[in-house]
Amino acid sequence: SQTIHQWPATLVQPVGSPLSLECTVEGTSNPNLYWYRQAAGRGLQLLFYSVGIGQISSEVPQNLSASRPQDRQFILSSKKLLLSDSGFYLCAWSVGLAGNYEQYFGPGTRLTVT
Amino acid sequence: AQSVTQPDIHITVSEGASLELRCNYSYGATPYLFWYVQSPGQGLQLLLKYFSGDTLVQGIKGFEAEFKRSQSSFNLRKPSVHWSDAAEYFCAVASAGTASKLTFGTGTRLQVTL
Repeated sequence: SQTIHQWPATLVQPVGSPLSLECTVEGTSNPNLYWYRQAAGRGLQLLFYSVGIGQISSEVPQNLSASRPQDRQFILSSKKLLLSDSGFYLCAWSVGLAGNYEQYFGPGTRLTVT
Repeated sequence: AQSVTQPDIHITVSEGASLELRCNYSYGATPYLFWYVQSPGQGLQLLLKYFSGDTLVQGIKGFEAEFKRSQSSFNLRKPSVHWSDAAEYFCAVASAGTASKLTFGTGTRLQVTL
């Protein structure tokens, strides 16, 4: 069966510090991968998605970037965090074939920028 | 562009009572629709999905949803709510294409009173 991992689970970082959040998927090959942010009391905002190694699409211009160095690894980064980057970050995967639309989510990372 | 509206931000029901959570979507073609549930501090779990065929779909945990094209709705129902159903519920619509991106509603928080 497939499993998705995210770490760290929680993170407190000062403004201006760098960020690296990691997501890995087990039990599948060539998945589509996604990063979402969930702000308090709001829905999910798609930040980035990837359909293959090195292929990143950005949905919202912002202070963050994403990379996919390996097939089942997806990394969310920032060089300098802003207060507005605080939130709950969720990674998700879907089967990498056209017509497969359901996504499966990881446990999330709670980021607090102070 | 597609959109999802969940008009109820917060709903309170008594344990054992029936539940209906509303979801309205906007999408130009045949929609692919989902309901997810999120417990506090956790990731999202897929409850059920509609792709085509029977407009009444069954999901996990005793939930069902009915697709009504004429009303652009995909409401979630449960005949008898349990205290453990207290969570946030998200409706989502998928866009066609390789990346299968989801657009989420802002969620409905369900509180269950004993």
